[in-house]
Amino acid sequence: EAGVTQSPTHLIKTRGQQVTLRCSPISGHTSVYWYQQALGLGLQFLLWYDEGEERNRGNFPPRFSGRQFPNYSSELNVNALELEDSALYLCASSPSRGLIYGYTFGSGTRLTVV
Amino acid sequence: GQQLNQSPQSMFIQEGEDVSMNCTSSSIFNTWLWYKQDPGEGPVLLIALYKAGELTSNGRLTAQFGITRKDSFLNISASIPSDVGIYFCAGLNYGGSQGNLIFGKGTKLSVKP
Repeated sequence: EAGVTQSPTHLIKTRGQQVTLRCSPISGHTSVYWYQQALGLGLQFLLWYDEGEERNRGNFPPRFSGRQFPNYSSELNVNALELEDSALYLCASSPSRGLIYGYTFGSGTRLTVV
Repeated sequence: GQQLNQSPQSMFIQEGEDVSMNCTSSSIFNTWLWYKQDPGEGPVLLIALYKAGELTSNGRLTAQFGITRKDSFLNISASIPSDVGIYFCAGLNYGGSQGNLIFGKGTKLSVKP
């Protein structure tokens, strides 16, 4: 069974540009979560999608947005990139019910803004 | 919102030492999980705990679900260099505002110079 896959693995962007990160959940998982992790610090909750709908978002500006597709894959979009957006962006997935094993994380996308 | 207090924030280990870390909350959780994150990778589930008082081992790792359901502990015995990384505790809370899992801020394990 394939795990959570994220693409691209690494990305370098210039300040002011826009970026799209992609996530494919484990087959059968309908919930997708996005986290930002800067400099090996804690996991900052960004967005939660379930069954195609945004369930909640963390304390991030509106230039962070995303969506979930009918096949439950998800995109995270960041507009008007700032230097402090440089971080590891992690996607995780889970089933909507029977969540006894928590989330399964992807390996992340390392975004560097210069 | 709910928060998990994880301590220590960081620690240095010498090969062979035992390591302890813990997580506390003001709220009750029905499931506690411990994850480990290697540098540049996503967190990986180490141990899941489902019942108050439960003690579960995974190799050299032992975790306990506190009897009050508000805390959990992780112990690593006879540490080795590959134990280095960030350890996160997480409490499971269905339908919470941040999704179903609440994460602690992590304990960073490094090797003593």
